[in-house]
Amino acid sequence: AQSVTQPDIHITVSEGASLELRCNYSYGATPYLFWYVQSPGQGLQLLLKYFSGDTLVQGIKGFEAEFKRSQSSFNLRKPSVHWSDAAEYFCAVGRFTSGTYKYIFGTGTRLKVLA
Amino acid sequence: DTGVSQNPRHKITKRGQNVTFRCDPISEHNRLYWYRQTLGQGPEFLTYFQNEAQLEKSRLLSDRFSAERPKGSFSTLEIQRTEQGDSAMYLCASSPRLSQTAQETQYFGPGTRLLVL
Repeated sequence: AQSVTQPDIHITVSEGASLELRCNYSYGATPYLFWYVQSPGQGLQLLLKYFSGDTLVQGIKGFEAEFKRSQSSFNLRKPSVHWSDAAEYFCAVGRFTSGTYKYIFGTGTRLKVLA
Repeated sequence: DTGVSQNPRHKITKRGQNVTFRCDPISEHNRLYWYRQTLGQGPEFLTYFQNEAQLEKSRLLSDRFSAERPKGSFSTLEIQRTEQGDSAMYLCASSPRLSQTAQETQYFGPGTRLLVL
């Protein structure tokens, strides 16, 4: 069965430090991968997506992610974290089956930023 | 493009009552999705519409849940005889239909947070 694993439930970093959030997926076909961010009580905002081509994708707010097929990973990175980045981050894989296109989400990583 | 909107944003109800949520997708997006998100979890797929047709329902969607999308525009999700286990954030998303289906991106609304007492 397809699945998405985000091994880190909580991560704390200092403002200005670099960040890497891990995401591993299990999917038999070519994956379509997404990272979303969710602020408290809010919906999900798309940060970036990977469909094909260059395995390093750039997103909004200075985030980037790298697709590594050999490791089944799609880790999210940011070189310098800002206090406003504190939120919950979700990795998702898009799966098309039986005429339906669905996302399978990981359980999320909650980011705390220290001043 | 005003984004996906959902109403109400918050709903508190007593166990056994019926509730109805509304989702207005981005205009001209013909695909609409409902997800449920419980505390500490990622969103889970509930159901999907293409235009007015409901094409798939998750096993999570018990017979107390019903969703409609009349005329292929806004959608409603109704929960009958609510239970405390229904407490969650209900998210709506929409996407345009592209020639390559698997490259669609879903855009999410702010969600409706339901608390069943």
